[in-house]
Amino acid sequence: NAGVTQTPKFQVLKTGQSMTLQCAQDMNHEYMSWYRQDPGMGLRLIHYSVGAGITDQGEVPNGYNVSRSTTEDFPLRLLSAAPSQTSVYFCASSSPPGFDTGELFFGEGSRLTVL
Amino acid sequence: AQTVTQSQPEMSVQEAETVTLSCTYDTSENNYYLFWYKQPPSRQMILVIRQEAYKQQNATENRFSVNFQKAAKSFSLKISDSQLGDTAMYFCALKPHGANSKLTFGKGITLSVRP
Repeated sequence: NAGVTQTPKFQVLKTGQSMTLQCAQDMNHEYMSWYRQDPGMGLRLIHYSVGAGITDQGEVPNGYNVSRSTTEDFPLRLLSAAPSQTSVYFCASSSPPGFDTGELFFGEGSRLTVL
Repeated sequence: AQTVTQSQPEMSVQEAETVTLSCTYDTSENNYYLFWYKQPPSRQMILVIRQEAYKQQNATENRFSVNFQKAAKSFSLKISDSQLGDTAMYFCALKPHGANSKLTFGKGITLSVRP
């Protein structure tokens, strides 16, 4: 059982480059989300999705784009990377249909450095 | 809107001793979950304990227990018989009931267990 899988685990970008962080889950979870973690800031919600075809903004959405074409996948796109986007990114999912425990299941995180 | 506050950035405890991590929160919801997540140096987010707000009984998981004071909106984590493997960042988090509601984290506390 793979759970939540994120790729890549590490990435270095130059300012202005674009990239996509991949996230996939095999637990039939409807809810998926992306967080960024910065020192002293905790985890802040970037975007989330409550099902295929539905996405919404979180607390810090600027500079990021998401889509949800399938239940399993929820990629996060950086359109034009900036040094302020240097962070650790976590994908998380929860709740198969009709069964909400509240718990989020996390991927292993992706460390992104923008030079 | 909901907020989670962890006012202590760092704590240290001697191995085998007991330590309490503090958390306060604010929400207008009546039904919600509260969580403590652990993030060891490996970066993986691990659920430590979960509390349902409608339950008066405090949750316990082996050496981990909570002191949930709903009226005071306080949710502290007690770690008994501290072990070196408890060294990690600990995050308090709140999620209203509902499969599509968002999880909000505190800024975290770094716990060091001294041998």
